Amino acid sequence: AQSVSQHNHHVILSEAASLELGCNYSYGGTVNLFWYVQYPGQHLQLLLKYFSGDPLVKGIKGFEAEFIKSKFSFNLRKPSVQWSDTAEYFCAVNSDNQAGTALIFGKGTTLSVSS
Amino acid sequence: DGGITQSPKYLFRKEGQNVTLSCEQNLNHDAMYWYRQDPGQGLRLIYYSQIVNDFQKGDIAEGYSVSREKKESFPLTVTSAQKNPTAFYLCASSPWAGGNSPLHFGNGTRLTVT
Repeated sequence: AQSVSQHNHHVILSEAASLELGCNYSYGGTVNLFWYVQYPGQHLQLLLKYFSGDPLVKGIKGFEAEFIKSKFSFNLRKPSVQWSDTAEYFCAVNSDNQAGTALIFGKGTTLSVSS
Repeated sequence: DGGITQSPKYLFRKEGQNVTLSCEQNLNHDAMYWYRQDPGQGLRLIYYSQIVNDFQKGDIAEGYSVSREKKESFPLTVTSAQKNPTAFYLCASSPWAGGNSPLHFGNGTRLTVT
C-alpha cells in the first residue's frame, strides 16, 4: 500500500529564513505528487503538483518542490518565508497507473513563522 | 460560485447516536471523498466515490457509511460503531478519481461526541 512520510512535525522559523519540508513516499510505480496547505481557519488548498516532466515544479506564493525519483522524495522549499506562510502543510500522493485511486496524505507539518 | 458545501460547521451528538454529515458540490465533479483529520494524524481516507451509485472503502471505513445517489451529494454517516468519532471531517471532490486530478476541499465539519 502507498504511504507518505513527512519527517518534520513542527517547524519554527523566523521571517526571511529558508524553508525545506521533507516528504517521502512508498510506491514503486508512477505517481502523482501534491502539496496542500491549510492556513489557520481556512480550507485545504493546492500549493503545487507534479505529474511528469521537469522534476522541479513551482507553485503559488513562491513555493517550489523537487521530485527525486531515486529517493522517492518530493520536498517543498521556499527561499524566504513570510509570517503569512504560517500554516499546516500536507504532502499527498496517488498512483498514476491505477484509475480511481484516492489521494493518500502525510501526517502534515505545522510551520510557524515569527516576525 | 462553484464549490463544496459541508454542513453544519459544528455538530454535537451523544454517544450511541448515528449522525449524518452533509456534503454537496456544484462543480459537476464525478469523484467525491471523505477524509478525517486528527491532530498529528494528517488526513485519513474514509470512503470515496468515483461515480454515482458506487463507492469504495478507504483506510479507516469501519464505523462509517456513505451513499452516492446523486452526483452532487455524498453524505457520510458516523455510526455508533465508530469508536472515536470526535474529529474534523473533510469532504472533497475532483473531476475524476485518481491520476492527476487535484482535490477541491470543503470547509469541514467538526463533530464532537460526548
